[in-house]
Amino acid sequence: QQKVQQSPESLSVPEGGMASLNCTSSDRNFQYFWWYRQHSGEGPKALMSIFSDGDKKEGRFTAHLNKASLHVSLHIRDSQPSDSALYFCAASFANSGTYQRFGTGTKLQVVP
Amino acid sequence: GPKVLQIPSHQIIDMGQMVTLNCDPVSNHLYFYWYKQILGQQMEFLVNFYNGKVMEKSKLFKDQFSVERPDGSYFTLKIQPTALEDSAVYFCASSPHWGDKNTLYFGAGTRLSVL
Repeated sequence: QQKVQQSPESLSVPEGGMASLNCTSSDRNFQYFWWYRQHSGEGPKALMSIFSDGDKKEGRFTAHLNKASLHVSLHIRDSQPSDSALYFCAASFANSGTYQRFGTGTKLQVVP
Repeated sequence: GPKVLQIPSHQIIDMGQMVTLNCDPVSNHLYFYWYKQILGQQMEFLVNFYNGKVMEKSKLFKDQFSVERPDGSYFTLKIQPTALEDSAVYFCASSPHWGDKNTLYFGAGTRLSVL
């Protein structure tokens, strides 16, 4: 079964705006989360990881994890056209292998 | 940043043929992975590999699939024989450590088209 779900499927924001992406788990045994970004024709590239409840900020990107609600989000401040890409969240789960399971992805388009 | 190289970028073969996908991991990384992506959608884990051995594999890693890294050369994914449903983009990844806290470094992928 699918353990990691993302929403929305696609998102369009104006340049300079805030983009908010969401990820939930159907399995309470999740442990660690990552956000990856994939530009067309390229492989996914890690943006950031988050392992503990709360916020983690790296430049224009802020991740928020709430383990109790099985939810992690990514917020992109001052969105740029170069942020247009496919965004994946990925999670590892206790007692279920060490490898990361990826969500279905959110396609972000930043409109100039 | 660290780069994973994948060769070739696109491979077209006839169903039933054998294909080998090649990956040159980040130089000091010891753990290697293959993921499968269909139509720019979800990334599905296939297998991970360390010290000459498969550590974990998913149900997608069929009996027709095999991986190896002979003598520190390319990390390879071999499919023999190929099937139509094997058409996808295959991503290789590597990481410096083992465990469930490791960030993966991905290559640009090999698009496999099985006709």
